[in-house]
Amino acid sequence: GAVVSQHPSWVICKSGTSVKIECRSLDFQATTMFWYRQFPKQSLMLMATSNEGSKATYEQGVEKDKFLINHASLTLSTLTVTSAHPEDSSFYICSAPPGGTSTDTQYFGPGTRLTVL
Amino acid sequence: AQSVSQHNHHVILSEAASLELGCNYSYGGTVNLFWYVQYPGQHLQLLLKYFSGDPLVKGIKGFEAEFIKSKFSFNLRKPSVQWSDTAEYFCAVNGGNAGNMLTFGGGTRLMVKP
Repeated sequence: GAVVSQHPSWVICKSGTSVKIECRSLDFQATTMFWYRQFPKQSLMLMATSNEGSKATYEQGVEKDKFLINHASLTLSTLTVTSAHPEDSSFYICSAPPGGTSTDTQYFGPGTRLTVL
Repeated sequence: AQSVSQHNHHVILSEAASLELGCNYSYGGTVNLFWYVQYPGQHLQLLLKYFSGDPLVKGIKGFEAEFIKSKFSFNLRKPSVQWSDTAEYFCAVNGGNAGNMLTFGGGTRLMVKP
């Protein structure tokens, strides 16, 4: 099946620094990728839809200046958490549908655990 | 907007017991339905999906789900669970105006006692 990778898998940073998380589709092209956030013992919450070659679409309540998304190529989307604070600590997961249609199964990355001290 | 609800937050079963996890969604149009599983320390994996056709869908590891349109439900079942089924299960929906965007239920944490 299709594979989605994320890097890094775990990052610890100081408050006020910025952290970049990469999401790559390894064996398919993805015009769209999705970024989710998962708090402990809770479900995934969609943060934004990353669109190749255009601006990301953010869900209500998600600060676009805080969570910068860049989808520079058909296989790479990045999420940058700017000026991270402890409340940004969470598990960030990306997903991508290989064919780009709604009937496609989305493949999920393994997630990135961010801890902000 | 779509919403998905999973009624059971935590389920504890003994091995060989039967399992049914409830999932209801709110969107009335054409939807695609998924069940994902997240084993401890691992990423989300697709268990099964329904797009159209036979409303009884069979997935991996002996799981199945039944789409009942009149009830807006897509319950997950397994006749006999194993300890290795201990995981968190998420129901998800997309389609209609939401396109590819998946809306997840709150998840059900299943613990199977050996």
